[in-house]
Amino acid sequence: KNQVEQSPQSLIILEGKNCTLQCNYTVSPFSNLRWYKQDTGRGPVSLTIMTFSENTKSNGRYTATLDADTKQSSLHITASQLSDSASYICVVTGWYSSASKIIFGSGTRLSIRP
Amino acid sequence: EAGVAQSPRYKIIEKRQSVAFWCNPISGHATLYWYQQILGQGPKLLIQFQNNGVVDDSQLPKDRFSAERLKGVDSTLKIQPAKLEDSAVYLCASRTAGLSITDTQYFGPGTRLTVL
Repeated sequence: KNQVEQSPQSLIILEGKNCTLQCNYTVSPFSNLRWYKQDTGRGPVSLTIMTFSENTKSNGRYTATLDADTKQSSLHITASQLSDSASYICVVTGWYSSASKIIFGSGTRLSIRP
Repeated sequence: EAGVAQSPRYKIIEKRQSVAFWCNPISGHATLYWYQQILGQGPKLLIQFQNNGVVDDSQLPKDRFSAERLKGVDSTLKIQPAKLEDSAVYLCASRTAGLSITDTQYFGPGTRLTVL
């Protein structure tokens, strides 16, 4: 069964600290993996995207890694800011019969405390 | 570039009533998605359109949910009759029809539905 599992479910850290969010997937065949940020009351916004051949991608203070062999990804946030408080969703796309299948994780709820 | 527009932003109804949501995708985006996001969970795909044709509606509860995308642009999602468990945020997303695997979905702000 194609699944995307994220951990932790929720996380609270102090402003200025770093954190790492995890994503494990079983989607196959694999096409790409995205990390989205979803602010409360808003739709998800894409942060990074990685294909099979990429193992790291940065977007400002956000750095995503991908290990396609172990089917694991992480999102590292450096020097967290209050505006980083949001849900972070891992999304994996697979290809089935020439059509894409997009599988969403349940997200990690991140809270930054001053 | 204008984003994906959705309306209304909030809706409160009683169970067994009907409700409709509207989505206007980004201009030129041939692919349109409707998702249901229950609190604390990731979005769940309800239906995917390519222009005005349905690509995937395998998770759409067809006994009560319906969607259409006439003319391949705007789309409406309807629930009739609503149940308590339909309380969720309904997200609309669009993307281009290109085959590039890096094409991104752009999401609207969502409609928060509360069924009492």
